[in-house]
Amino acid sequence: GAGVSQSPSNKVTEKGKDVELRCDPISGHTALYWYRQRLGQGLEFLIYFQGNSAPDKSGLPSDRFSAERTGESVSTLTIQRTQQEDSAVYLCASSYSAGPATNEKLFFGSGTQLSVL
Amino acid sequence: AQKVTQAQTEISVVEKEDVTLDCVYETRDTTYYLFWYKQPPSGELVFLIRRNSFDEQNEISGRYSWNFQKSTSSFNFTITASQVVDSAVYFCALSRGNFGNEKLTFGTGTRLTIIP
Repeated sequence: GAGVSQSPSNKVTEKGKDVELRCDPISGHTALYWYRQRLGQGLEFLIYFQGNSAPDKSGLPSDRFSAERTGESVSTLTIQRTQQEDSAVYLCASSYSAGPATNEKLFFGSGTQLSVL
Repeated sequence: AQKVTQAQTEISVVEKEDVTLDCVYETRDTTYYLFWYKQPPSGELVFLIRRNSFDEQNEISGRYSWNFQKSTSSFNFTITASQVVDSAVYFCALSRGNFGNEKLTFGTGTRLTIIP
């Protein structure tokens, strides 16, 4: 597509429920990133994919968070047993490549606003 | 550890005034990259500039200019003759040159409001 697409744009859920957030990167972009943006704060790195592999999962806040990517395209971020502190905007970004010595600009989606009641 | 500090949480200026957004960074790497991103109300961050640690030349792009000073670990962003469309949250970011974007660290952002 023309840009990075995220769905849903807004998600309201009850504490304890599971949620899935979806990201469609720009076609041909092999690298995909997930960030979390809490109100009034900067972007917190969660995880990135090079192709379908996630070399570093250390940014995920807890084992309730997981992510996968298939076909070097769509990625899903899953939060299990949501807590109120999970409320934030979840941003997805993609770039042509990732890895050592590549510091290319990122293309961001508009994010998913997650509200946990 | 890497750190990016944007001490100005919010700035408001009247249209046509110049404004400078500050960014101070900390890193132990000798090779690194600095970025500025703009986040308009739509929420989608937009890339503005990328500089590597070996290039301290200042850069100008239209009304935007950037001042990179390694001596003070700063990468400040100036908008001249500000316009209402410049209203947004601006983020400074730092990546580790040998690790690429997967180690990108963002500042907390500066909310800029241009008053018509």
